[in-house]
Amino acid sequence: DAGVIQSPRHEVTEMGQEVTLRCKPISGHNSLFWYRQTMMRGLELLIYFNNNVPIDDSGMPEDRFSAKMPNASFSTLKIQPSEPRDSAVYFCASSGGLAGTSYNEQFFGPGTRLTVL
Amino acid sequence: DAKTTQPPSMDCAEGRAANLPCNHSTISGNEYVYWYRQIHSQGPQYIIHGLKNNETNEMASLIITEDRKSSTLILPHATLRDTAVYYCIALNNNNDMRFGAGTRLTVKP
Repeated sequence: DAGVIQSPRHEVTEMGQEVTLRCKPISGHNSLFWYRQTMMRGLELLIYFNNNVPIDDSGMPEDRFSAKMPNASFSTLKIQPSEPRDSAVYFCASSGGLAGTSYNEQFFGPGTRLTVL
Repeated sequence: DAKTTQPPSMDCAEGRAANLPCNHSTISGNEYVYWYRQIHSQGPQYIIHGLKNNETNEMASLIITEDRKSSTLILPHATLRDTAVYYCIALNNNNDMRFGAGTRLTVKP
């Protein structure tokens, strides 16, 4: 398996533009997570899905951020409009464990480095 | 989920054991201790987890105190490639994993 795939790996855009980050989880995994990492705030959980359903989006910073998972093999994180403070590395992770079990190993993708000018 | 406390940084000589401590004094009975690491510019990588008993796998050993208020991750023979930030996380049976600042381990030749 190729692991979690994220695209693009790098994105540079101008303030006000729409940004879409993409993630393909590991086949067979039923949980998907979006994280954001900055020097100031560290690694933050934004939202996660179980069986394509958003379970907890309390980490999504504001209405400019939205995430979708139309099927088990694809998810997007969209920022519209983007702002310079959104510059960060965005990680997607997937897990095969179900909530309620002890096994919760998350497999992370390589991340998307977003720069908003 | 319980808060964890780790030293911000540690050094270790190559080939020696690296012992990374973590305090989780408010951990509840059903919370597991998970360890992840993040090598520079990469996504975090799962290492090991445990509840009460000590655990060992091909990467590391996890020693949890009897009162479960602290734990130690042991890398038995550290290599330069083990240089990374190591995160200790106390996690309930859910998927809401919160990373703290972690410990930056530097393995020196």
